[in-house]
Amino acid sequence: AQSVSQHNHHVILSEAASLELGCNYSYGGTVNLFWYVQYPGQHLQLLLKYFSGDPLVKGIKGFEAEFIKSKFSFNLRKPSVQWSDTAEYFCAAAGYSSASKIIFGSGTRLSIRP
Amino acid sequence: DAGVTQSPTHLIKTRGQQVTLRCSPISGHKSVSWYQQVLGQGPQFIFQYYEKEERGRGNFPDRFSARQFPNYSSELNVNALLLGDSALYLCASSLKSGEQETQYFGPGTRLLVL
Repeated sequence: AQSVSQHNHHVILSEAASLELGCNYSYGGTVNLFWYVQYPGQHLQLLLKYFSGDPLVKGIKGFEAEFIKSKFSFNLRKPSVQWSDTAEYFCAAAGYSSASKIIFGSGTRLSIRP
Repeated sequence: DAGVTQSPTHLIKTRGQQVTLRCSPISGHKSVSWYQQVLGQGPQFIFQYYEKEERGRGNFPDRFSARQFPNYSSELNVNALLLGDSALYLCASSLKSGEQETQYFGPGTRLLVL
């Protein structure tokens, strides 16, 4: 069955700390991968996406993610977090040829201590 | 450019009633998808429509239905509401359906069923 797992439900960091949020997927065939962010009171926004090519993808606001096919992982990273990064982060996957159905993970709530 | 818009923003209904939610995609986008996000979980795929045809359907009962209009806007209908239908309903639009598709989300309609 297709699924996306985010192992950390709530992560608390201090400003300037480094961030890595885990994401593993189970999906047959070629997969498209996404990270979306939901800031408090705002709607889901696309942080970055991977379709093909360079497995290290860079997104907005200094975020990046690495696609490791052998580990079925697509972890999100940021070298130095800011208070404004406080938000809910969702990893998502979709089939390459039938991308209409995006499967989301359960989300990771990130809290940044000022 | 305007993003995806949804109406209404909030809605309160009682069990057994019917509800219609509306979505206008980003200008130029021909595909609309609907998701249900229950508190504490990631969004779950309900439907996708592309060029007024259903392209995908998630694991939701027949009480849920949708349609897309010639101007690519869409409606989601839910009949015989249950308490468990209380959720944030998200609409997402994309240029196309399928290969290397990227979906952009609206602010959602928060439905409360009493």
